[in-house]
Amino acid sequence: GQQVMQIPQYQHVQEGEDFTTYCNSSTTLSNIQWYKQRPGGHPVFLIQLVKSGEVKKQKRLTFQFGEAKKNSSLHITATQTTDVGTYFCAGGDGGSNYKLTFGKGTLLTVNP
Amino acid sequence: DADVTQTPRNRITKTGKRIMLECSQTKGHDRMYWYRQDPGLGLRLIYYSFDVKDINKGEISDGYSVSRQAQAKFSLSLESAIPNQTALYFCATSESDGYTFGSGTRLTVV
Repeated sequence: GQQVMQIPQYQHVQEGEDFTTYCNSSTTLSNIQWYKQRPGGHPVFLIQLVKSGEVKKQKRLTFQFGEAKKNSSLHITATQTTDVGTYFCAGGDGGSNYKLTFGKGTLLTVNP
Repeated sequence: DADVTQTPRNRITKTGKRIMLECSQTKGHDRMYWYRQDPGLGLRLIYYSFDVKDINKGEISDGYSVSRQAQAKFSLSLESAIPNQTALYFCATSESDGYTFGSGTRLTVV
């Protein structure tokens, strides 16, 4: 079955530093989504990428979808303490666009 | 009111007991999902339903069953709970974009 690998598993940064998490799929994806889960909370949808090579920005967050639609990244510029949480990527396969396979997530902690 | 409501929020049950986790949504979405979350393992799909008459197994359906009572309601049952089913369980809905998750049910099987 489809597998979605995400690295790193953990990342600790000083406030103001940048942060990147990477996602790789064993198969070509129809789309990729990103979620954020605050400690003690539930995953919250951030964004969806659909097109090959797509880049989207949300304030300090930049999301990329690879040309082959098998990898993706989330980059946060100048982290803040409010960025703390676990970031998940989730890939949709071509056959079941609304059945996502989640990566294991990257836990980001930020030292003020 | 939350778009996706899960009950109970926390539950402790004994090994061998049958337990039901409930999920209801007000978003009017046809698609509903049950995931479990374990530390370091991310979110794993248990069951999903694309409409009231459509139920599908996910990657870890053994030991679980579901019922889609209405478009808005999707319940998850553990027929005979075992300790390794201790986890955080999330219900989610979707339409054409991202999933909306409930707040989760923390289940402990002792």
